[in-house]
Amino acid sequence: TQLLEQSPQFLSIQEGENLTVYCNSSSVFSSLQWYRQEPGEGPVLLVTVVTGGEVKKLKRLTFQFGDARKDSSLHITAAQTGDTGLYLCAAYSGGGADGLTFGKGTHLIIQP
Amino acid sequence: EAGVAQSPRYKIIEKRQSVAFWCNPISGHATLYWYQQILGQGPKLLIQFQNNGVVDDSQLPKDRFSAERLKGVDSTLKIQPAKLEDSAVYLCASSTRRRDSPLHFGNGTRLTVT
Repeated sequence: TQLLEQSPQFLSIQEGENLTVYCNSSSVFSSLQWYRQEPGEGPVLLVTVVTGGEVKKLKRLTFQFGDARKDSSLHITAAQTGDTGLYLCAAYSGGGADGLTFGKGTHLIIQP
Repeated sequence: EAGVAQSPRYKIIEKRQSVAFWCNPISGHATLYWYQQILGQGPKLLIQFQNNGVVDDSQLPKDRFSAERLKGVDSTLKIQPAKLEDSAVYLCASSTRRRDSPLHFGNGTRLTVT
């Protein structure tokens, strides 16, 4: 099972600022998913990236999958207080039989 | 569509007691997962079912944890006896298990062992 390293572990910024969080591994993924989790709730899927070099946009969120499919980043433009939450990256191994493996997440706090 | 249902929402027990959690996945989802999420960390897979068969339970502490998915629909996760380090949120998720399909999570059961 591959290890997913997320950084930073904690990030607190002011509303309106931009930020980037990272998800890295030494393994190659067939795809990678990003989830957001709010307190008291389960994680909710934001996006799935499949192709090396792929960029996907979801309103102010931009997701990029590394060319070698070993890493990914999430960039938020003009952060809002509603973006506060735990951002998790997750991936299946290439074998297909394993469950989804999650990183430890980035705790993001957007201050008004 | 109705989401993944879990109960109870909260549970407080003393160490060495037993506890059970219930999960009803999204209708038609063949794959069901139980994850353990310790405060401040990402979810850790405990067990994965495909219909009513176990696909992966390599990280399940089998001396104290057990899970079943009779009839391939809802599932129960049991801990007996509980330890202090079992305090966590237990998340159930389901998926269609098409390749790279997303997981749909319930809101979890928060377990506190005292």
